Amino acid sequence: AQSVTQPDIHITVSEGASLELRCNYSYGATPYLFWYVQSPGQGLQLLLKYFSGDTLVQGIKGFEAEFKRSQSSFNLRKPSVHWSDAAEYFCAVGAPSGGSYIPTFGRGTSLIVHP
Amino acid sequence: DAMVIQNPRYQVTQFGKPVTLSCSQTLNHNVMYWYQQKSSQAPKLLFHYYDKDFNNEADTPDNFQSRRPNTSFCFLDIRSPGLGDAAMYLCATSRDLGRQPQHFGDGTRLSIL
Repeated sequence: AQSVTQPDIHITVSEGASLELRCNYSYGATPYLFWYVQSPGQGLQLLLKYFSGDTLVQGIKGFEAEFKRSQSSFNLRKPSVHWSDAAEYFCAVGAPSGGSYIPTFGRGTSLIVHP
Repeated sequence: DAMVIQNPRYQVTQFGKPVTLSCSQTLNHNVMYWYQQKSSQAPKLLFHYYDKDFNNEADTPDNFQSRRPNTSFCFLDIRSPGLGDAAMYLCATSRDLGRQPQHFGDGTRLSIL
């Protein structure tokens, strides 16, 4: 079965600084990869997804992620963070299991933005 | 806008008193999921429906059950809530079980007295 690791529990950045959130997965082939964001008291919102093709994926709210097969990684980036980006970020990995591709979620990374 | 709606947003129940959480969708998606999310943890899949086919995760307690009377609605029933069941419960939908991303509701925060 696939697994996903988000090694950073918390990340603190200053507003306007760049951001990179790490995600590593364990699976033999290329899985489906997702990043979701969760604001306090709300559900998860899809930021971007990767299935195949161009390894640099653009998402909503100025986020992008890069798939690196050699490193089994799918890190999320943003060049300039806004205070409204403070939230919980989840990486999810979908791989075939029993004929379905239900994603497995990482434990999440909490982003704190300082003014 | 097409969306996933969960009711209520906050639910308080007593220890051992059955409770039902509801989820509705206007997306006409085939798959509906229920997740349990505890503080600072990843969402944990409890079960999902593909149309009317019910799929229970192996480690989902028997205390948790679900109903999907039609495409639009799905319910989570907790027969005898314990203190450990206090959590956020998230409903999600997807078009199918492949590469389609999930669409989440805003969740129901369940508290147990």
